[in-house]
Amino acid sequence: GDSVTQMEGPVTLSEEAFLTINCTYTATGYPSLFWYVQYPGEGLQLLLKATKADDKGSNKGFEATYRKETTSFHLEKGSVQVSDSAVYFCALSDISNYQLIWGAGTKLIIKP
Amino acid sequence: NAGVTQTPKFQVLKTGQSMTLQCAQDMNHEYMSWYRQDPGMGLRLIHYSVGAGITDQGEVPNGYNVSRSTTEDFPLRLLSAAPSQTSVYFCASRPLVADEAFFGQGTRLTVV
Repeated sequence: GDSVTQMEGPVTLSEEAFLTINCTYTATGYPSLFWYVQYPGEGLQLLLKATKADDKGSNKGFEATYRKETTSFHLEKGSVQVSDSAVYFCALSDISNYQLIWGAGTKLIIKP
Repeated sequence: NAGVTQTPKFQVLKTGQSMTLQCAQDMNHEYMSWYRQDPGMGLRLIHYSVGAGITDQGEVPNGYNVSRSTTEDFPLRLLSAAPSQTSVYFCASRPLVADEAFFGQGTRLTVV
């Protein structure tokens, strides 16, 4: 079945560093891909999404490009802030049964 | 706009007790779901519903019941609480044919 694999955390960076969180997937068909963010003590919220190959999703300085050839959707940000500290989840939508398939989440810690 | 509302936010149960976690959404979404979140395991789907009167099992349904008598409400019942059910529970909703899921704030449940 479909699956999502993302890099294990925690990832610890200094403020203003460049961020990459890797996400790869396996899927039949052409799923949509997502990054969700979970701030401490809160539920998940959508950060960005891409619905077809070569689409780039972006929001709040974060970007991710849907790469069908490498089955990847890596999250990047050029200069992270302390306020970006959170858990980031990669996910895909299985259109055959309306389900979202989740990665395990990557905790990001940004130090001032 | 309330979105997805979960109650309670915190709960401590004794082994063998039963309880209901409440979830309500005011966005007229067809699809609602319950997840549990455990450290290092991401989100695991417990039960879901694609509309009033329709429910189905997810990845980890044992020990939980759901019902969907209205579009707005999707309660999760723990029949006889066990320490293995200690977790953070999230309710989510979305339109059936759209991708973005909206999450509640979560319920932190401890079973002693």
